[in-house]
Amino acid sequence: DTGVSQDPRHKITKRGQNVTFRCDPISEHNRLYWYRQTLGQGPEFLTYFQNEAQLEKSRLLSDRFSAERPKGSFSTLEIQRTEQGDSAMYLCASSPEQGDFRGYTFGSGTRLTVV
Amino acid sequence: RKEVEQDPGPFNVPEGATVAFNCTYSNSASQSFFWYRQDCRKEPKLLMSVYSSGNEDGRFTAQLNRASQYISLLIRDSKLSDSATYLCVVPTGGGNKLTFGTGTQLKVEL
Repeated sequence: DTGVSQDPRHKITKRGQNVTFRCDPISEHNRLYWYRQTLGQGPEFLTYFQNEAQLEKSRLLSDRFSAERPKGSFSTLEIQRTEQGDSAMYLCASSPEQGDFRGYTFGSGTRLTVV
Repeated sequence: RKEVEQDPGPFNVPEGATVAFNCTYSNSASQSFFWYRQDCRKEPKLLMSVYSSGNEDGRFTAQLNRASQYISLLIRDSKLSDSATYLCVVPTGGGNKLTFGTGTQLKVEL
């Protein structure tokens, strides 16, 4: 296991379509996070999981967004009825436990372009 | 007031120069602070942790000023390869998530 994997790396979609991204965390990490980063900004927190439980969701996560981590391993982030404002880099991160920030590892991200 | 604020730059410096970035944070109860580095179109990566009175790692020095609620990053003898965006990061929400500044862009030139 070499790190956090995200798929796809790039996604171009038409406005109104649904998209789904996948994140595979480092296998021994039980915490998984999703962030969004737009041009010229730092990453913004969206949601996080402790094993399969989704423990916090940001107000940025509108009703069109849903995230799952069904077996406490990989996670998916779905965006329904995409809008141009959803264009961003979606970053996944995992960490071993609360407070272990040195173990906090980001994936390479999925870059979404909504046209 | 934003939780974490940085000057976005860009800072254009010649190779070999010393450059410093500042970052302010709003929560006086914050205990941990970090600097991340992000290359263009890549994921952010941990550069340095900043605890108590700060720390040094080679050409990089991070300082914390709790009274004024800011942290700084000093890069000495800057190299072309230091060109990147430097993100100030503070754990928030009980330490479950990271709050990032907007990042400061550094360009080191010949």
